Amino acid sequence: DQQVKQNSPSLSVQEGRISILNCDYTNSMFDYFLWYKKYPAEGPTFLISISSIKDKNEDGRFTVFLNKSAKHLSLHIVPSQPGDSAVYFCAAKSSGDKLTFGTGTRLAVRP
Amino acid sequence: GAVVSQHPSRVICKSGTSVKIECRSLDFQATTMFWYRQFPKQSLMLMATSNEGSKATYEQGVEKDKFLINHASLTLSTLTVTSAHPEDSSFYICSAPRTGGVSPLHFGNGTRLTVT
Repeated sequence: DQQVKQNSPSLSVQEGRISILNCDYTNSMFDYFLWYKKYPAEGPTFLISISSIKDKNEDGRFTVFLNKSAKHLSLHIVPSQPGDSAVYFCAAKSSGDKLTFGTGTRLAVRP
Repeated sequence: GAVVSQHPSRVICKSGTSVKIECRSLDFQATTMFWYRQFPKQSLMLMATSNEGSKATYEQGVEKDKFLINHASLTLSTLTVTSAHPEDSSFYICSAPRTGGVSPLHFGNGTRLTVT
């Protein structure tokens, strides 16, 4: 049972344009959401997070939006840069530190 | 810099042998650590929660006798894949929560296990 889903396995975007990565979840107990970036053969690195009491969190080029009623969150990267090319995982948690990850979206930013 | 160190980064072993993977928290203590497994093009699946000084908690479907976890100190957890088979080939990643940090979890760089 995949409680966190990223329905787009891949995304290709032109450099300078906006990248939008989507994530859906089914568990209404999740109250904290995170985005991680992962390069091959490396562990995930934290990008940005959002609490369920908010609907938006922004950090530089990265903005995460949360729609609780739709159980949907998205990560916006603008402007996209070639160095952003990686696999992006959304993750969710309720209490404790255990994270449930989505299946990942591979982002390719074309120069 | 890295706050969670994982070794080895890559290991190749023969079927039937055992492999030990170490996960260390570098400048903080971790009473719990998490072990994940990632198959190609798939999500990170939580295998077990390692608890310092007590037994690990395994997720449903993970064989505790196959994947031995030891958390003997506040900075070290080990995962031993016993009697490895080719289907155990995967990418194993550990993580540890660090209080006061921006991210609730810090990840090691993972271990690529190939069983021949």
